[in-house]
Amino acid sequence: DAKTTQPPSMDCAEGRAANLPCNHSTISGNEYVYWYRQIHSQGPQYIIHGLKNNETNEMASLIITEDRKSSTLILPHATLRDTAVYYCIVAFGGNTGKLIFGQGTTLQVKP
Amino acid sequence: GAVVSQHPSWVICKSGTSVKIECRSLDFQATTMFWYRQFPKQSLMLMATSNEGSKATYEQGVEKDKFLINHASLTLSTLTVTSAHPEDSSFYICSEVVETSTDTQYFGPGTRLTVL
Repeated sequence: DAKTTQPPSMDCAEGRAANLPCNHSTISGNEYVYWYRQIHSQGPQYIIHGLKNNETNEMASLIITEDRKSSTLILPHATLRDTAVYYCIVAFGGNTGKLIFGQGTTLQVKP
Repeated sequence: GAVVSQHPSWVICKSGTSVKIECRSLDFQATTMFWYRQFPKQSLMLMATSNEGSKATYEQGVEKDKFLINHASLTLSTLTVTSAHPEDSSFYICSEVVETSTDTQYFGPGTRLTVL
């Protein structure tokens, strides 16, 4: 079973920041928080991941709480192309890091 | 990120036939690849872990004799659905682990299998 809890759906206005929450209260010390997204009928796309510290890349920012029990993915300026299912996954890294996908959050960006 | 390709992107076959799906790593060598399947309106489900040069490790409930996995090189893993039936119709997706400091998994575009 997935070790994360996400809201099933969210809406966001185009151009505004999209903040997607994720709860992972049973995360262990060596597990990373990964975020992927899947646009309809495509393979998942890697967005970002982190262990303890907040992370930022060209796509998004990841904010992890100090106790690591929850995190938030931030898309700073959502566009219509960001409409997708967003998956928050807790896993060990590397070859042993099997990704167990939950139901994710369906983000609908509206004009 | 890494580039992973899959072939074919879609396939339609008759019940009882076998179908081979290829997963290629185009820019990295992948000692480990994963195979997933996704039924309509559902999430991805991990089927097996494919290790180069050794037998694949299957998840509980996945029939190893039905879903044959071969990972003969560092850039190619294949999944063969043997004696396919309509209930095997699904979206099959592979991923590779890029062994860098981030050890991130990158996914292929998926293969849509329809069994008539």
